[in-house]
Amino acid sequence: DADVTQTPRNRITKTGKRIMLECSQTKGHDRMYWYRQDPGLGLRLIYYSFDVKDINKGEISDGYSVSRQAQAKFSLSLESAIPNQTALYFCATSDPNPRGDTQYFGPGTRLTVL
Amino acid sequence: SQKIEQNSEALNIQEGKTATLTCNYTNYSPAYLQWYRQDPGRGPVFLLLIRENEKEKRKERLKVTFDTTLKQSLFHITASQPADSATYLCALDHAGNTGKLIFGQGTTLQVKP
Repeated sequence: DADVTQTPRNRITKTGKRIMLECSQTKGHDRMYWYRQDPGLGLRLIYYSFDVKDINKGEISDGYSVSRQAQAKFSLSLESAIPNQTALYFCATSDPNPRGDTQYFGPGTRLTVL
Repeated sequence: SQKIEQNSEALNIQEGKTATLTCNYTNYSPAYLQWYRQDPGRGPVFLLLIRENEKEKRKERLKVTFDTTLKQSLFHITASQPADSATYLCALDHAGNTGKLIFGQGTTLQVKP
């Protein structure tokens, strides 16, 4: 079974709709992240959480919100989707390591906002 | 602000040759730098991490160098194979070593048989 899973894998929605992307992990990691990836722009951090009670904005958090329901679950919500939120979304996890965290990514959710 | 750049042009090489990808960064001195591989439609997969006090790291056919004076990392794949075709992402730790990473936009490698 995959260590980091994301649901749904593909989603088409309309402008103004509220949608939620879910991420679950079995790696036992405390740290979880949400990124979006756009062609030519690489991965950009939306939100991150270092434990259940710690949630922080990344570089592009406007229009998004998150919920850390448990150590293993981290959800990303788009309250009112707009077309420029069409992108590939990735969840990732890591464990704190003084020698450097490495991140483990889910398979991604392809979101299209019409 | 921190900036990380990778060659946006695809790199096309012949099977068996050595592929060399470049990652340059500015306005920061990272404690470590990482390389990830990403296949189309899939999540990135960690390959190698190199710390600021390490000049070179190897893993099988992969080699990473880290020049903190030039603010550059080179990623080499020796004896390249068509299965090495993918996009390779460079990432460096965010200021303050918080565990967050900043990713480059990636370089696509195409190895032709």
